[in-house]
Amino acid sequence: EIVLTQSPATLSLSPGERATLSCRASQSVASFLAWYQQKPGQAPRLLIYDASNRATGIPARFSGSGSGTDFTLTISSLEPEDFAVYYCQQRSNWPRYTFGQGTKLEIK
Amino acid sequence: QVQLQESGPGLVKPSGTLSLTCAVSGDSISSSYWWSWVRQPPGKGLEWIGQIYHSGSTNYNPSLKSRVTISVDKSKNQFSLKLSSVTAADTAVYYCARDNTVYDAFDIWGQGTMVTVSS
Repeated sequence: EIVLTQSPATLSLSPGERATLSCRASQSVASFLAWYQQKPGQAPRLLIYDASNRATGIPARFSGSGSGTDFTLTISSLEPEDFAVYYCQQRSNWPRYTFGQGTKLEIK
Repeated sequence: QVQLQESGPGLVKPSGTLSLTCAVSGDSISSSYWWSWVRQPPGKGLEWIGQIYHSGSTNYNPSLKSRVTISVDKSKNQFSLKLSSVTAADTAVYYCARDNTVYDAFDIWGQGTMVTVSS
Protein backbone atom coordinates (compact mmCIF):
# COMPACT_ATOMS: atom_id res chain seq x y z
CA GLU A 1 0.00 0.00 0.00
CA ILE A 2 1.24 3.47 -0.87
CA VAL A 3 1.24 5.69 2.22
CA LEU A 4 0.78 9.43 1.85
CA THR A 5 2.13 11.66 4.61
CA GLN A 6 0.88 15.24 4.76
CA SER A 7 2.61 18.06 6.58
CA PRO A 8 2.10 20.03 8.60
CA ALA A 9 -0.88 18.53 10.41
CA THR A 10 -2.11 22.03 11.18
CA LEU A 11 -1.16 25.30 9.50
CA SER A 12 -2.13 28.60 11.10
CA LEU A 13 -2.10 31.57 8.77
CA SER A 14 -3.90 34.85 8.20
CA PRO A 15 -6.01 35.90 5.21
CA GLY A 16 -3.81 37.26 2.46
CA GLU A 17 -0.86 35.04 3.37
CA ARG A 18 0.57 32.28 1.22
CA ALA A 19 -0.09 28.66 2.22
CA THR A 20 2.18 25.77 1.32
CA LEU A 21 0.95 22.24 2.04
CA SER A 22 3.06 19.14 1.52
CA CYS A 23 2.23 15.55 0.59
CA ARG A 24 4.91 12.85 0.48
CA ALA A 25 4.36 9.37 -0.95
CA SER A 26 6.07 6.23 0.33
CA GLN A 27 6.92 5.33 -3.26
CA SER A 28 6.63 7.06 -6.60
CA VAL A 29 3.12 7.87 -7.79
CA ALA A 30 4.36 9.68 -10.92
CA SER A 31 1.86 12.54 -11.34
CA PHE A 32 -1.19 10.56 -10.25
CA LEU A 33 -1.99 12.78 -7.30
CA ALA A 34 -5.10 14.79 -6.51
CA TRP A 35 -5.90 17.38 -3.85
CA TYR A 36 -9.27 17.91 -2.18
CA GLN A 37 -10.67 20.56 0.12
CA GLN A 38 -13.15 19.65 2.84
CA LYS A 39 -15.12 22.07 4.99
CA PRO A 40 -16.98 21.01 8.15
CA GLY A 41 -20.11 19.03 7.40
CA GLN A 42 -19.39 18.96 3.68
CA ALA A 43 -18.12 16.43 1.19
CA PRO A 44 -14.62 16.81 -0.19
CA ARG A 45 -14.24 19.00 -3.27
CA LEU A 46 -11.72 18.28 -6.02
CA LEU A 47 -9.15 21.06 -6.40
CA ILE A 48 -6.22 19.63 -8.32
CA TYR A 49 -5.79 16.49 -10.43
CA ASP A 50 -2.73 14.92 -12.00
CA ALA A 51 -0.59 16.90 -9.54
CA SER A 52 -0.89 20.29 -11.22
CA ASN A 53 -4.19 20.67 -13.08
CA ARG A 54 -6.94 22.76 -11.55
CA ALA A 55 -10.39 21.24 -11.62
CA THR A 56 -13.27 23.10 -13.22
CA GLY A 57 -14.22 26.26 -11.35
CA ILE A 58 -11.23 26.26 -8.99
CA PRO A 59 -9.70 29.73 -8.52
CA ALA A 60 -6.25 30.44 -9.91
CA ARG A 61 -4.86 31.07 -6.42
CA PHE A 62 -4.77 27.29 -5.98
CA SER A 63 -1.84 25.55 -7.63
CA GLY A 64 -0.26 22.13 -7.39
CA SER A 65 3.23 20.94 -8.18
CA GLY A 66 5.50 17.95 -7.83
CA SER A 67 5.99 14.46 -9.18
CA GLY A 68 7.30 11.15 -7.97
CA THR A 69 7.13 11.26 -4.18
CA ASP A 70 6.95 14.95 -3.24
CA PHE A 71 4.00 17.20 -3.92
CA THR A 72 2.90 20.67 -2.91
CA LEU A 73 -0.41 22.49 -2.84
CA THR A 74 0.01 26.26 -2.79
CA ILE A 75 -2.64 28.85 -2.09
CA SER A 76 -1.12 32.13 -3.20
CA SER A 77 -3.21 34.53 -1.11
CA LEU A 78 -5.62 33.08 1.42
CA GLU A 79 -9.27 34.04 1.29
CA PRO A 80 -11.52 33.52 4.34
CA GLU A 81 -13.30 30.63 2.58
CA ASP A 82 -10.01 28.73 2.11
CA PHE A 83 -9.73 27.72 5.76
CA ALA A 84 -10.55 24.03 5.71
CA VAL A 85 -8.95 20.58 5.73
CA TYR A 86 -6.97 19.52 2.66
CA TYR A 87 -6.33 15.93 1.59
CA CYS A 88 -4.05 14.48 -1.03
CA GLN A 89 -4.91 11.21 -2.77
CA GLN A 90 -2.82 8.92 -4.95
CA ARG A 91 -4.17 7.05 -7.93
CA SER A 92 -0.92 5.50 -9.13
CA ASN A 93 -1.63 2.11 -7.64
CA TRP A 94 -5.01 1.71 -9.39
CA PRO A 95 -7.40 0.84 -8.02
CA ARG A 96 -5.85 0.78 -4.55
CA TYR A 97 -6.44 4.44 -3.87
CA THR A 98 -5.15 5.97 -0.65
CA PHE A 99 -5.52 9.37 0.99
CA GLY A 100 -3.21 11.38 3.19
CA GLN A 101 -4.28 12.07 6.74
CA GLY A 102 -5.07 15.72 5.99
CA THR A 103 -3.76 19.18 6.78
CA LYS A 104 -6.00 21.54 8.69
CA LEU A 105 -5.60 25.13 7.54
CA GLU A 106 -6.81 27.39 10.31
CA ILE A 107 -7.08 31.12 10.81
CA LYS A 108 -4.29 32.59 12.89
CA GLN B 1 -25.59 18.99 -13.42
CA VAL B 2 -24.54 15.64 -12.05
CA GLN B 3 -25.66 14.87 -8.51
CA LEU B 4 -25.20 11.89 -6.22
CA GLN B 5 -27.43 11.15 -3.26
CA GLU B 6 -26.76 8.52 -0.60
CA SER B 7 -29.58 6.86 1.33
CA GLY B 8 -29.95 4.11 3.88
CA PRO B 9 -30.32 3.38 7.60
CA GLY B 10 -28.41 5.65 9.94
CA LEU B 11 -28.13 3.00 12.64
CA VAL B 12 -26.90 -0.58 12.26
CA LYS B 13 -26.44 -3.17 14.99
CA PRO B 14 -23.05 -4.75 15.63
CA SER B 15 -22.48 -7.89 13.53
CA GLY B 16 -25.19 -6.72 11.15
CA THR B 17 -24.95 -5.56 7.54
CA LEU B 18 -24.70 -1.93 6.50
CA SER B 19 -26.62 -1.22 3.29
CA LEU B 20 -26.51 2.06 1.39
CA THR B 21 -27.63 3.22 -2.03
CA CYS B 22 -26.33 6.06 -4.19
CA ALA B 23 -28.78 7.55 -6.68
CA VAL B 24 -27.19 9.22 -9.70
CA SER B 25 -28.95 12.10 -11.46
CA GLY B 26 -27.84 14.21 -14.40
CA ASP B 27 -25.71 11.42 -15.83
CA SER B 28 -26.14 7.82 -16.82
CA ILE B 29 -24.53 5.24 -14.60
CA SER B 30 -23.70 3.49 -17.86
CA SER B 31 -21.37 6.30 -18.92
CA SER B 32 -17.62 5.78 -18.91
CA TYR B 33 -16.97 6.28 -15.22
CA TRP B 34 -16.31 4.08 -12.26
CA TRP B 35 -18.49 4.74 -9.21
CA SER B 36 -16.94 4.60 -5.76
CA TRP B 37 -17.70 4.52 -2.06
CA VAL B 38 -15.50 6.42 0.40
CA ARG B 39 -15.94 6.66 4.16
CA GLN B 40 -14.77 8.98 6.93
CA PRO B 41 -14.92 8.06 10.63
CA PRO B 42 -15.80 10.98 12.91
CA GLY B 43 -12.88 13.39 13.16
CA LYS B 44 -10.66 11.24 10.94
CA GLY B 45 -9.49 11.01 7.34
CA LEU B 46 -10.87 9.46 4.18
CA GLU B 47 -10.80 5.78 3.27
CA TRP B 48 -11.64 4.38 -0.17
CA ILE B 49 -13.93 1.35 0.10
CA GLY B 50 -14.39 0.18 -3.46
CA GLN B 51 -15.77 0.90 -6.91
CA ILE B 52 -17.98 -0.50 -9.64
CA TYR B 53 -18.34 -0.08 -13.40
CA HIS B 54 -21.70 -0.32 -15.14
CA SER B 55 -20.67 -3.71 -16.51
CA GLY B 56 -20.62 -4.97 -12.94
CA SER B 57 -16.84 -5.10 -12.63
CA THR B 58 -15.71 -4.24 -9.12
CA ASN B 59 -12.54 -3.40 -7.19
CA TYR B 60 -12.31 -3.32 -3.42
CA ASN B 61 -9.96 -2.02 -0.76
CA PRO B 62 -8.00 -5.12 0.32
CA SER B 63 -8.53 -4.23 3.98
CA LEU B 64 -12.32 -4.46 3.55
CA LYS B 65 -12.63 -6.88 0.65
CA SER B 66 -13.89 -9.83 2.68
CA ARG B 67 -16.87 -7.82 3.96
CA VAL B 68 -17.77 -5.54 1.04
CA THR B 69 -20.13 -5.99 -1.89
CA ILE B 70 -20.87 -3.21 -4.37
CA SER B 71 -23.57 -3.67 -6.97
CA VAL B 72 -25.20 -1.61 -9.72
CA ASP B 73 -28.82 -1.24 -10.82
CA LYS B 74 -28.82 0.33 -14.25
CA SER B 75 -32.61 0.42 -14.45
CA LYS B 76 -32.69 2.72 -11.42
CA ASN B 77 -29.46 4.55 -12.25
CA GLN B 78 -27.99 3.75 -8.87
CA PHE B 79 -25.35 1.67 -7.16
CA SER B 80 -25.21 0.15 -3.72
CA LEU B 81 -22.88 -0.81 -0.89
CA LYS B 82 -23.17 -3.68 1.52
CA LEU B 83 -20.73 -4.06 4.40
CA SER B 84 -21.17 -7.14 6.55
CA SER B 85 -20.17 -8.04 10.11
CA VAL B 86 -19.97 -4.40 11.13
CA THR B 87 -18.42 -3.16 14.36
CA ALA B 88 -18.15 0.24 16.00
CA ALA B 89 -15.05 0.84 13.86
CA ASP B 90 -17.35 1.03 10.83
CA THR B 91 -19.13 4.07 12.22
CA ALA B 92 -18.50 6.81 9.68
CA VAL B 93 -19.89 9.20 7.13
CA TYR B 94 -20.23 7.24 3.91
CA TYR B 95 -19.84 9.08 0.61
CA CYS B 96 -20.47 7.94 -2.92
CA ALA B 97 -18.35 9.55 -5.61
CA ARG B 98 -17.83 9.55 -9.35
CA ASP B 99 -14.40 8.31 -10.33
CA ASN B 100 -13.40 10.36 -13.36
CA THR B 101 -10.62 8.48 -15.11
CA VAL B 102 -9.99 11.46 -17.42
CA TYR B 103 -9.27 13.65 -14.40
CA ASP B 104 -7.76 10.74 -12.45
CA ALA B 105 -9.80 11.89 -9.47
CA PHE B 106 -13.15 11.81 -7.71
CA ASP B 107 -14.81 14.81 -9.34
CA ILE B 108 -18.38 14.52 -8.05
CA TRP B 109 -19.35 13.57 -4.49
CA GLY B 110 -22.59 12.93 -2.69
CA GLN B 111 -23.34 14.90 0.46
CA GLY B 112 -22.59 11.87 2.62
CA THR B 113 -24.66 9.90 5.09
CA MET B 114 -23.75 9.14 8.69
CA VAL B 115 -23.97 5.52 9.74
CA THR B 116 -23.58 4.58 13.38
CA VAL B 117 -22.95 1.01 14.50
CA SER B 118 -24.46 0.53 17.93
CA SER B 119 -26.81 -1.76 19.78
